[in-house]
Amino acid sequence: AIQMTQSPSSLSASVGDSVSITCRASQDITRDLSWYQQKPGKAPKILVFEASRLLSGVPSRFSGSGSGTDFTLTISGLQPEDFATYYCLQEFNYPPTFGQGTTLEIK
Amino acid sequence: DVQLVESGGGLVKPGGSLRLSCVASGFQFGHYHMAWVRQAPGEEPQWVSHISFTGAYIYYADSVRGRFTVSRDNAENSVSLQMNSLRVEDTAVYYCARDLGDPGHMDVWGHGTTVTVSS
Repeated sequence: AIQMTQSPSSLSASVGDSVSITCRASQDITRDLSWYQQKPGKAPKILVFEASRLLSGVPSRFSGSGSGTDFTLTISGLQPEDFATYYCLQEFNYPPTFGQGTTLEIK
Repeated sequence: DVQLVESGGGLVKPGGSLRLSCVASGFQFGHYHMAWVRQAPGEEPQWVSHISFTGAYIYYADSVRGRFTVSRDNAENSVSLQMNSLRVEDTAVYYCARDLGDPGHMDVWGHGTTVTVSS
């Protein structure tokens, strides 16, 4: 199975800051990567698919980039509702695998 | 509204069985692949199974293959996960999700149903 290594595992930031989360795949997954936000007690919510395409309705402060093995989710101008846990998911082949998650906390 | 609603979770002893169901509404269910994803407490989500829109193609995680069976009824807008020979490590919240690929990204998720396997 493809391993997804996500970093950092946790991050402290303030409202208005910009942050980046990275995911590294153990092999080339082209652009078959999506990003999810999860809040406590809730299901994951998709933000980005195909590495850089924002789902309709997702604020433009979220952006994704990368291809091959290295991917980044950037949040520019953090809002209070952005403090959550973020996961990447590779969909290049079976089994789809998630990163270990990044918990974004308020500083 | 596009919606997925899971049911069927509960407390079961090791070796026991449960059947989870997920009912869809607000979209043409029979046109979409579906997936089950689980999440143990404090862990990242783990993909469990995929079933194609016709039900012809099915995939499982190694950890559940041979014990879990996914099926769907497009007439009833539902997908099910029959879980047999349950283990303590199957304890998790189980989500059904709409899968836009083979595999693909999952754009709609249910609220989840909790499965606890404990003696």
